[in-house]
Amino acid sequence: SQELEQSPQSLIVQEGKNLTINCTSSKTLYGLYWYKQKYGEGLIFLMMLQKGGEEKSHEKITAKLDEKKQQSSLHITASQPSHAGIYLCGADIANDYKLSFGAGTTVTVRA
Amino acid sequence: DAMVIQNPRYQVTQFGKPVTLSCSQTLNHNVMYWYQQKSSQAPKLLFHYYDKDFNNEADTPDNFQSRRPNTSFCFLDIRSPGLGDAAMYLCATSSGLASYNEQFFGPGTRLTVL
Repeated sequence: SQELEQSPQSLIVQEGKNLTINCTSSKTLYGLYWYKQKYGEGLIFLMMLQKGGEEKSHEKITAKLDEKKQQSSLHITASQPSHAGIYLCGADIANDYKLSFGAGTTVTVRA
Repeated sequence: DAMVIQNPRYQVTQFGKPVTLSCSQTLNHNVMYWYQQKSSQAPKLLFHYYDKDFNNEADTPDNFQSRRPNTSFCFLDIRSPGLGDAAMYLCATSSGLASYNEQFFGPGTRLTVL
């Protein structure tokens, strides 16, 4: 079973609409990363969260880490075609600096 | 621009024929990682180097080996590729071993095994 569960597995959103992706673990997340991956390419860093309750924003993307540090969400406001891709959460779940990843959420933005 | 470079981007090999994938970095980072990502799955850590210290994950098959001749380069050797080894191989680097040290990823090498 996956140590990091992402939901949904995929989603289709109309351009201009908002979307939210969740990343959940049964273990404490010591460092939570959000990456974006285009099909067949490497991972592009989006944001990193460490503290419980932390929230960061960059352009139209906001990521939050809950107080218990076991769940994170990624929210995109007013989605654009450039937001299409696979979003992966990665986290240190054993406090050993190694990252475990979720399986990813595929986002499609329809014009 | 400082970056992580992987060559080749696409590699085709035959069943059982050894193959080497290359990663180089201009970030001067101490740590280099190799991940395997199968289709629609999460990247899975195979091993990493901290400087010259090699750290193998417990479930990484013996078929996978790695070399780091200097700070800038790291190689992934697959001694006898099987059909199940077809995947995207991602190289990443970080400045240190801590969860707050961001990992910078290369574009990946997609390996096909015929």
